[in-house]
Amino acid sequence: GQQLNQSPQSMFIQEGEDVSMNCTSSSIFNTWLWYKQEPGEGPVLLIALYKAGELTSNGRLTAQFGITRKDSFLNISASIPSDVGIYFCAGQRSGAGSYQLTFGKGTKLSVIP
Amino acid sequence: KAGVTQTPRYLIKTRGQQVTLSCSPISGHRSVSWYQQTPGQGLQFLFEYFSETQRNKGNFPGRFSGRQFSNSRSEMNVSTLELGDSALYLCASSSLSGGPDTQYFGPGTRLTVL
Repeated sequence: GQQLNQSPQSMFIQEGEDVSMNCTSSSIFNTWLWYKQEPGEGPVLLIALYKAGELTSNGRLTAQFGITRKDSFLNISASIPSDVGIYFCAGQRSGAGSYQLTFGKGTKLSVIP
Repeated sequence: KAGVTQTPRYLIKTRGQQVTLSCSPISGHRSVSWYQQTPGQGLQFLFEYFSETQRNKGNFPGRFSGRQFSNSRSEMNVSTLELGDSALYLCASSSLSGGPDTQYFGPGTRLTVL
C-alpha cells in the first residue's frame, strides 16, 4: 500500500533540545495527523490538521499542514525524557466519512538526559 | 469512559492455522478500523466497519476478513496463516461525529506465526 515518506527514521537528542520531523507524499491529503506510539501501546493522537497552511500547537508540540497539501512537519520544543517514542504522521483523503489513514513509517525519538 | 480494548493481547500460531482477533470499541462508537503494523511495512490499513457493514478495504489478500456485530464489537480473521502475517494488529474506533481526531486506537494484538 501507499506510504508517506517520513524523516528522519530515528533521532538521538539531548534533553532540552528542539526536534523537527517531517512527512511528504506524492498525493494530496485533506487531513494530516500526528501520532505518538510507546511500547506496548497503540498510537495516540497528538495533533490534527485540516487546512492547508494551518499551524497548530499542543503544548510543546507544533505541527503545520503544508501549502501544497502534500507535506506536514512536527516540531517538539525543549524535549524531555517522556517524549521518547515513535512519532507517526498520517494522511487522510476525504470520502464519505471513511477513516482510512495512510501512515508514515515513523520517527523513533530517543532523548538523552 | 473505557478505551478501545483488544483481545487477546498476545497470540502464537503456526503456519496454516487460522486466527480470530477481537476489538471492543469505545462505548457509543460505531466505526471500527483495523490496521496491521510491521517493522518493514509500518502501519497499513486493513478494513473499516460501520454499522455492521464493511465500508472500506485496504490491499490485503482475501485471507484477511472481518465483521462487526450489532453492538459495534468487531472481529478480524486471518486464515491459512503465513510467517509474514506476524505483526501487531491494531484496531481503532470512532464516533463519526467529527473528523479523524475522534479515532482512538487500542493497544493491539501481537500475533506471532511460527
